Amino acid sequence: NAGVTQTPKFRVLKTGQSMTLLCAQDMNHEYMYWYRQDPGMGLRLIHYSVGEGTTAKGEVPDGYNVSRLKKQNFLLGLESAAPSQTSVYFCASSPPTSTDTQYFGPGTRLTVL
Amino acid sequence: SQKIEQNSEALNIQEGKTATLTCNYTNYSPAYLQWYRQDPGRGPVFLLLIRENEKEKRKERLKVTFDTTLKQSLFHITASQPADSATYLCAPQGSARQLTFGSGTQLTVLP
Repeated sequence: NAGVTQTPKFRVLKTGQSMTLLCAQDMNHEYMYWYRQDPGMGLRLIHYSVGEGTTAKGEVPDGYNVSRLKKQNFLLGLESAAPSQTSVYFCASSPPTSTDTQYFGPGTRLTVL
Repeated sequence: SQKIEQNSEALNIQEGKTATLTCNYTNYSPAYLQWYRQDPGRGPVFLLLIRENEKEKRKERLKVTFDTTLKQSLFHITASQPADSATYLCAPQGSARQLTFGSGTQLTVLP
């Protein structure tokens, strides 16, 4: 099993450009999450999904959109990138248990110039 | 608002000693708390989970305590090794199936 994979690993954007980050998991997990990690601030939840076709806002959703058309995939979109969105983005998934142990992907390092 | 504090950004200890990392939280009462390890350039990896009705949990050289009165969790690594060098994140359960992560403590075990 590959676990949780993220595409791409690195990306540089110019302000105003758009892009989509792809997260895929092969563990048949119901729940999926997108986080951003910035120095000194820990992981902050952007959006999450509790199942195919559902999404919900996390702590820092502004400037991002998500879609969960298939159970195994969770897409994070930036419609008009801003320098403040320079960060490392992590996707995670978890099975539908009560304790939410999360399995993380390797991350995407995004730089917005 | 919910707040998590991990004792220090960086902790250096000598090989063979016990490392103790602290996680304090305020303004909520999590039913459980998790600890993760993160290596540079990689995603966090789950280590241990402790529930509110458990005082202590062990796994090999790792031990976690959870004091709901003090609102604190301690994470211990005994007989530490240079391979234990990493950033350790605590994550109390937040609301509605969400974990809230601390900013982490970077542990360096010196040979």
